[in-house]
Amino acid sequence: AQKITQTQPGMFVQEKEAVTLDCTYDTSDPSYGLFWYKQPSSGEMIFLIYQGSYDQQNATEGRYSLNFQKARKSANLVISASQLGDSAMYFCAMREGFGGYNKLIFGAGTRLAVHP
Amino acid sequence: GAVVSQHPSRVICKSGTSVKIECRSLDFQATTMFWYRQFPKQSLMLMATSNEGSKATYEQGVEKDKFLINHASLTLSTLTVTSAHPEDSSFYICSVAVAGIKETQYFGPGTRLLVL
Repeated sequence: AQKITQTQPGMFVQEKEAVTLDCTYDTSDPSYGLFWYKQPSSGEMIFLIYQGSYDQQNATEGRYSLNFQKARKSANLVISASQLGDSAMYFCAMREGFGGYNKLIFGAGTRLAVHP
Repeated sequence: GAVVSQHPSRVICKSGTSVKIECRSLDFQATTMFWYRQFPKQSLMLMATSNEGSKATYEQGVEKDKFLINHASLTLSTLTVTSAHPEDSSFYICSVAVAGIKETQYFGPGTRLLVL
C-alpha cells in the first residue's frame, strides 16, 4: 500500500502568491515524522520543513509552513509569497518511528512552476 | 546544515564495467547512511541502509551482489555498481542520518550515472 501520496503532478502559481502542495500519508505507527524536500533541476535534495506526529503546532520555517491535519493524515506544504527560485520538484516524505536512522519513504513529487 | 559530498558528480561508463560512488559526511561522524536511486521523472527509491562496520541492509528487489556497499569509516560510504548495464543509468544520491531535534536526513548532491 502506498504510504505517501502526492496527487498533484504539477502546479502553477503566480509570483508573490501563496501555493499549497498536497500530501497525504498512511501509517499505523503513532510515532512518525513528516518531511518536505525541494529538488531543483540540479538534483540536490534540500530539506525544507519537518513535523513530528506529536507536535502540537504546525511547523513553520520562513516562507514554508506545514498544514498538519493528523485526523485526515495530511501534511500539506504552504509556500507563501512565491518566488521564481521556488520552481522545482517538491517531495513529501515520511519516517515511521523516531530516530534519524529510520528510512524515509517518498511521495511521487509535485513539480511547481512559478510564473512572473 | 550538515554537509554531504558525493564523488563523482557525473560518470559515463561502458556496459560491463564497475563504477564506484563515494559519499562523505564532512561535518560529523555518521554511523548510518542511506543510498537512493532516482530514475528520470520519478521519485527517490531507497536502495539500502549503510551501517558503519556492518553489512548494509538492502531493500526488497535490490541485488546486493550488484550494488556493493561499503561503510568502512564514520565519514565514508561507497556504492559500487558492478557490471553496469544501460538500465542501471540513473541518479544515485546518498543521505546521512542526523540525530537531533528534527532528525532529518541531509542529502549529498547526487551522482548521474550513464551506462552506454
